[in-house]
Amino acid sequence: QLQLQESGPGLVKPSETLSLTCTVSGGSISSNSYYWGWIRQPPGKGLEWIGSIYYSGNTYYNPSLKSRVTISVDTSKNQFSLKLSSVTAADTAVYYCARHRSGLRSDLQHWGQGTLVTVSS
Amino acid sequence: EIVLTQSPGTLSLSLGERATLSCRASQSVTSDFLAWYQQKPGQAPRLVIYGASSRATGIPDRFSGSGSGTDFTLTISRLEPEDFAVYYCQQYGSSPLTFGGGTKVEIK
Repeated sequence: QLQLQESGPGLVKPSETLSLTCTVSGGSISSNSYYWGWIRQPPGKGLEWIGSIYYSGNTYYNPSLKSRVTISVDTSKNQFSLKLSSVTAADTAVYYCARHRSGLRSDLQHWGQGTLVTVSS
Repeated sequence: EIVLTQSPGTLSLSLGERATLSCRASQSVTSDFLAWYQQKPGQAPRLVIYGASSRATGIPDRFSGSGSGTDFTLTISRLEPEDFAVYYCQQYGSSPLTFGGGTKVEIK
């Protein structure tokens, strides 16, 4: 059974870089055709797609965040990661990792439980 | 970017009633690449419908999706206690992938 687990600091200072990792178990991140994504949800608000990556390293980002986002993959550890630079209070959110059903243009079939990241000094 | 508008914002219904949720897109959704997710408090979203009308694994048949182009609907035929939640639509036919603002289905 596929499981995704987010990990990383729960508190980040303004102007610093938010770093999160998603560890995949019950399946290989290198499996053909799957894209892996990051989505966030500010407290009490809706969902926002941040970006997605293929195991080869091919990435797609939301243009609204593209200048600050880097998503990378480590196939040896079966993990993929998110870095968001120059954070402000507006980046406070629950961050989810997820697996697409197949390619980028597919639904988000499996989700991690999410991790709350607060941006505050 | 495709903007998805969900209505109503809140739906107050009783157990056993029919729920009809709407999702309207600002432009046509490619190949009906439209999904619906259910989210309960403190939980991650759960896929309910994909491809506009296909039920995800483990989703009961009281859930159905319909529509095409710019107008999509999620219907819950008879509300069960576990169905009260927030529902989001999402299009994945065009990048950036976008979500609607959500419809809360609450107990009347």
